[in-house]
Amino acid sequence: SSELTQDPAVSVALGQTVRITCQGDSLRSYFASWYQQKPGQAPVLVIDVKTNRPSGIPDRFSGSRSGNTASMTITGAQAEDEADYYCNSRDSSGNVVFGGGTKLTV
Amino acid sequence: EVQLEQSGAEVRKPGESLKISCETSGYSFTTYWIAWVRQMPGKGLEWLGIIYPGDSKTRYSPSFQGQVTFSADKSITTAYLQWSSLKASDTAMYYCARHIYDSGSYYYDYWGQGTLVTVSS
Repeated sequence: SSELTQDPAVSVALGQTVRITCQGDSLRSYFASWYQQKPGQAPVLVIDVKTNRPSGIPDRFSGSRSGNTASMTITGAQAEDEADYYCNSRDSSGNVVFGGGTKLTV
Repeated sequence: EVQLEQSGAEVRKPGESLKISCETSGYSFTTYWIAWVRQMPGKGLEWLGIIYPGDSKTRYSPSFQGQVTFSADKSITTAYLQWSSLKASDTAMYYCARHIYDSGSYYYDYWGQGTLVTVSS
């Protein structure tokens, strides 16, 4: 299976640090990327497969990987970070899969 | 500036056909894959597949193979997603996104604003 598992909901106090995780066997071989989606808006890339942040993404967002788990950390969460966050990766067949998403409450 | 501009919201009846578009600009259309992603109401993101506008090669998610068709028109740098016979369960927001290959993995750096498709009798 190429499923990616995320916690459905996570909360963090303003200014604190939060880690959102994404688990899946495919992550042992392939890298994950992360997307932020606010209500009524399209997803936005926040972390790419090399754990880089695109231009315009604050440096409080960072990414990492260990074993079958990819993580995105927000250091010093702000009110505007409240959103749904999705990870995605690929499987050995070249198909892409998204995690189920994590609703972050700040 | 890279931009992906999608066509407007559509309402159709079950059994009808539909083709929605994703007009791109600001980059070489024929050298990047374009992906289509579905988001059903209140749900997460689902990958439909990708098309390479350079030669119209396609790859469909096993879950959507035979359900949708991708195409592209290089002359107007536009990608398309179409259905031949819509079902109520096709009601969703559909996004196009630029598909990037890096370090053996994939990600999506630019997204369209989405096209809402509503299928109802």
